[in-house]
Amino acid sequence: GAVVSQHPSWVICKSGTSVKIECRSLDFQATTMFWYRQFPKQSLMLMATSNEGSKATYEQGVEKDKFLINHASLTLSTLTVTSAHPEDSSFYICSARDPGGGSYEQYFGPGTRLTVT
Amino acid sequence: AQSVTQLGSHVSVSEGALVLLRCNYSSSVPPYLFWYVQYPNQGLQLLLKYTTGATLVKGINGFEAEFKKSETSFHLTKPSAHMSDAAEYFCAVSGGGSARQLTFGSGTQLTVLP
Repeated sequence: GAVVSQHPSWVICKSGTSVKIECRSLDFQATTMFWYRQFPKQSLMLMATSNEGSKATYEQGVEKDKFLINHASLTLSTLTVTSAHPEDSSFYICSARDPGGGSYEQYFGPGTRLTVT
Repeated sequence: AQSVTQLGSHVSVSEGALVLLRCNYSSSVPPYLFWYVQYPNQGLQLLLKYTTGATLVKGINGFEAEFKKSETSFHLTKPSAHMSDAAEYFCAVSGGGSARQLTFGSGTQLTVLP
């Protein structure tokens, strides 16, 4: 089956620094990837839709200058949290859509736990 | 526009008992419907999906769900709960548009009692 990886699985950074999270589709080419944020005991909130070779589409209320998304290849999308603050601490999950699947199913990565101190 | 409502943020069942997790959706276009399971500090794993065709869909780990258009429901069931079923379950709907973005329900935490 389709596999999506994320790196790192967890990261601790100091307030004011930036951190990059990678999302890779390992055995398929993903023209579209999605980034979600999940707070403890809550559901997934879509942050942005990332299309290979074009600018990401951000959901309302998500700061595009703070959460930089790059989808430079068909197998890699990155999320950079710039000038991180403690309120950015969260569980970030990416997913990738396999265009070869007729149902447009999304395959999810294992998530990245970000803690900003 | 699309939305998902999961009734019951917490459900407890005894091991061996029936599992029923409720999901109602709204969508302006024919929906694709999904159930995902999430274990602590992990990503989401697809249990099952409905796209078109047969309204009763079977998934992994003995789970199944029935799409009922008249009731706008997609409830998840399993005849006999196992301890390993304890997890968070999310219902999601994918509506129209080229991106077919997923909209998730708020989740249901399933506890299985010995």
